[in-house]
Amino acid sequence: NAGVTQTPKFQVLKTGQSMTLQCAQDMNHEYMSWYRQDPGMGLRLIHYSVGAGITDQGEVPNGYNVSRSTTEDFPLRLLSAAPSQTSVYFCASSYTVGANNSPLHFGNGTRLTVT
Amino acid sequence: AQSVTQLDSQVPVFEEAPVELRCNYSSSVSVYLFWYVQYPNQGLQLLLKYLSGSTLVKGINGFEAEFNKSQTSFHLRKPSVHISDTAEYFCAVSDLSGNTPLVFGKGTRLSVIA
Repeated sequence: NAGVTQTPKFQVLKTGQSMTLQCAQDMNHEYMSWYRQDPGMGLRLIHYSVGAGITDQGEVPNGYNVSRSTTEDFPLRLLSAAPSQTSVYFCASSYTVGANNSPLHFGNGTRLTVT
Repeated sequence: AQSVTQLDSQVPVFEEAPVELRCNYSSSVSVYLFWYVQYPNQGLQLLLKYLSGSTLVKGINGFEAEFNKSQTSFHLRKPSVHISDTAEYFCAVSDLSGNTPLVFGKGTRLSVIA
């Protein structure tokens, strides 16, 4: 199984540019989420989804949009990139939100630099 | 709402020595607790979890953690570490409803020295 696949692995953007980080999972997980990881800050939740057509904001949603048109895909959109969005982004999925009965499965991350 | 505090940002330890990575949580309700590990240039993976029952939980790679409700702690331990244990370790918490996302701590970087 591929698990959680994130593309691209690396990206450099100029301030003001837009882009979409892709995330796909093949485990039929209802719950999908996006985190950003910054030094000394740990993992912070950006947005999450409990199923197709349903999304919700996490701790740091500003500057990011998401949609969930299928169970498999959960793209993260940066509408106008800012240097503060330089980070490593992780997509994660699970059967349930609380991940108590099944673990969160993480992708290998997208390293984004905004200049 | 729940929160997690990992008391040490970095822990250096010599190979074959024991290690303890500390985690304290805050919550007004009962919780589930987790430890995840992140090896270099990878995503996180589950190390172990406490849902209920025995307060001593065993995980993969020889790690174990003990849930202490009175101290609101969930410290991770390993009696003898290997070079391959070098990684970042994250403690996480969720409530019993299963309807709220995991909240992660800021992580502890374990460096095993040969």
